[in-house]
Amino acid sequence: SQQGEEDPQALSIQEGENATMNCSYKTSINNLQWYRQNSGRGLVHLILIRSNEREKHSGRLRVTLDTSKKSSSLLITASRAADTASYFCATDARAGGTSYGKLTFGQGTILTVHP
Amino acid sequence: DTEVTQTPKHLVMGMTNKKSLKCEQHMGHRAMYWYKQKAKKPPELMFVYSYEKLSINESVPSRFSPECPNSSLLNLHLHALQPEDSALYLCASSPVRDQGDEQYFGPGTRLTVT
Repeated sequence: SQQGEEDPQALSIQEGENATMNCSYKTSINNLQWYRQNSGRGLVHLILIRSNEREKHSGRLRVTLDTSKKSSSLLITASRAADTASYFCATDARAGGTSYGKLTFGQGTILTVHP
Repeated sequence: DTEVTQTPKHLVMGMTNKKSLKCEQHMGHRAMYWYKQKAKKPPELMFVYSYEKLSINESVPSRFSPECPNSSLLNLHLHALQPEDSALYLCASSPVRDQGDEQYFGPGTRLTVT
């Protein structure tokens, strides 16, 4: 079963506006990651937030994590047409000490940014 | 080199064919992954290799057979597939855990089973 559920499923905005996507999950996690996928190609890692962190920034991206509510949000500020893509949250529930992760992806949000 | 490469980009095969997908990375990552992604769905984990040993098999049918011949290469051997196996197959790699948790994905192989 999918760990992460995202909303909205689709988001359509104008260039320059902010885009907010939400992700909820069900079990305890080690970290939560956000990925972008363009047109059914490979995924690109955007940002990772650990379970003991509450907020993280990277360029125009801001991620928050609320472990008490088992939810995260991704904010993209001043969006551009090039931000048009699918965005997935992914939770990693593997405990520390393992040499690899085990990601479970949410259903994704399709973002369309109109020029 | 921060790239994961996958070949072929596209593959069409019949249900009686045997084919292989190939994935390569030269970032020194010791964990490698196979995911399957159906249209408009999220990627689903199939297999994880860690230090060239199979660590996770997510109850994948035996018609999919992974292989990790060395630390840079990951193969997925396909045999007697069904039309419902048509999907985008993604390979990923990640550093040793205490050096980072993000996964680096290849562009994928789009597989069509006829």
